[in-house]
Amino acid sequence: DTAVSQTPKYLVTQMGNDKSIKCEQNLGHDTMYWYKQDSKKFLKIMFSYNNKELIINETVPNRFSPKSPDKAHLNLHINSLELGDSAVYFCASSVDRVGDSPLHFGNGTRLTVT
Amino acid sequence: GESVGLHLPTLSVQEGDNSIINCAYSNSASDYFIWYKQESGKGPQFIIDIRSNMDKRQGQRVTVLLNKTVKHLSLQIAATQPGDSAVYFCAEISRHYGGSQGNLIFGKGTKLSVKP
Repeated sequence: DTAVSQTPKYLVTQMGNDKSIKCEQNLGHDTMYWYKQDSKKFLKIMFSYNNKELIINETVPNRFSPKSPDKAHLNLHINSLELGDSAVYFCASSVDRVGDSPLHFGNGTRLTVT
Repeated sequence: GESVGLHLPTLSVQEGDNSIINCAYSNSASDYFIWYKQESGKGPQFIIDIRSNMDKRQGQRVTVLLNKTVKHLSLQIAATQPGDSAVYFCAEISRHYGGSQGNLIFGKGTKLSVKP
């Protein structure tokens, strides 16, 4: 069973469109995250949710809106997609928000904006 | 040897040799560090972690060394195998709000290439 699963794995879309990426974890963790990995493999945190509550919102354009219907799910909705949004997006989860345990990552969603 | 390529530093080793991947971290107050392995097309996978009250921790074929004086971490892989080929990231926990919240901050990554 996949612990952290994301869909879709690949997403190709045109500029200006709106798209969503879904994430689910079956580990019973309280905290979930979205990370963005650029073409140079640099991984940067975007958002963090603890028990459906937003706790981290890094300097991400407000076109990006995370939504957590329950603590096992954290979806990412992106409005008005731009070329610079092309990247691999990773969902992750951890036991708690304190940062005393490792994060578990999904296998990523490769977003290509044309 | 280790070199800085166009994108990622790359370390090339012969199968069976030991590998050492180095990492400098930024925050002297960081107290928890993690090494991740990322294979092509996959997410980062936990390898080993270490807390600041230790300077060495061993796992299966891997050892992490922590030097707080110079803010340096290293990952040693014994008897490197082709399956070890991947990008390796060190990460540190950055704490906020009196320690009630921690963010995982990643380093830049090193590509390990194992030659058969």
